[in-house]
Amino acid sequence: GAGVSQTPSNKVTEKGKYVELRCDPISGHTALYWYRQSLGQGPEFLIYFQGTGAADDSGLPNDRFFAVRPEGSVSTLKIQRTERGDSAVYLCASSFDMNTEAFFGQGTRLTVV
Amino acid sequence: AQRVTQPEKLLSVFKGAPVELKCNYSYSGSPELFWYVQYSRQRLQLLLRHISRESIKGFTADLNKGETSFHLKKPFAQEEDSAMYYCALSTRMNTGFQKLVFGTGTRLLVSP
Repeated sequence: GAGVSQTPSNKVTEKGKYVELRCDPISGHTALYWYRQSLGQGPEFLIYFQGTGAADDSGLPNDRFFAVRPEGSVSTLKIQRTERGDSAVYLCASSFDMNTEAFFGQGTRLTVV
Repeated sequence: AQRVTQPEKLLSVFKGAPVELKCNYSYSGSPELFWYVQYSRQRLQLLLRHISRESIKGFTADLNKGETSFHLKKPFAQEEDSAMYYCALSTRMNTGFQKLVFGTGTRLLVSP
């Protein structure tokens, strides 16, 4: 079956613009995670969804970042008023539940110019 | 605070040589450690976890609580082992969810 799918694979945007990054998890996976990986760093946790609700959003850096998962499947990470420091690879992962292995997508490379 | 340290950015070895990728962690609770691997142009994937105590692709890792280490080892490196390796620590949050804290990664390059 298909793995975790993220679109777009690359996104270039101007400083101050709004962007949306999409994640299609593996079918049947109730848990979904967003991570951010800056250049030369490991992935850093942003937010965790169990079903439709954001069970833990402690990793979101500020209120410009928001994520939704309205039907418990596809998730969208939204970034308002983008800044150059937001440039990174945004990774999505999903797992059957919060105690099982998480499978990662290929990531979306966001570049803010 | 939880932290994972991978001191080497790059480890370069010849095919057939032993490999040890270092990982040290800082965590006040009972740790659960993982190694993830990312091959060129592929997605991040789980290599092994300490609780399973298994060998994957010839790699093993032993959790040493006294030294707070979880080094990844392989006795004879192969060219196909060339990849980026990340050590990760799982920390259980109040919601029951286990958040992964990653190190900065070590690039392993195996030359023929």
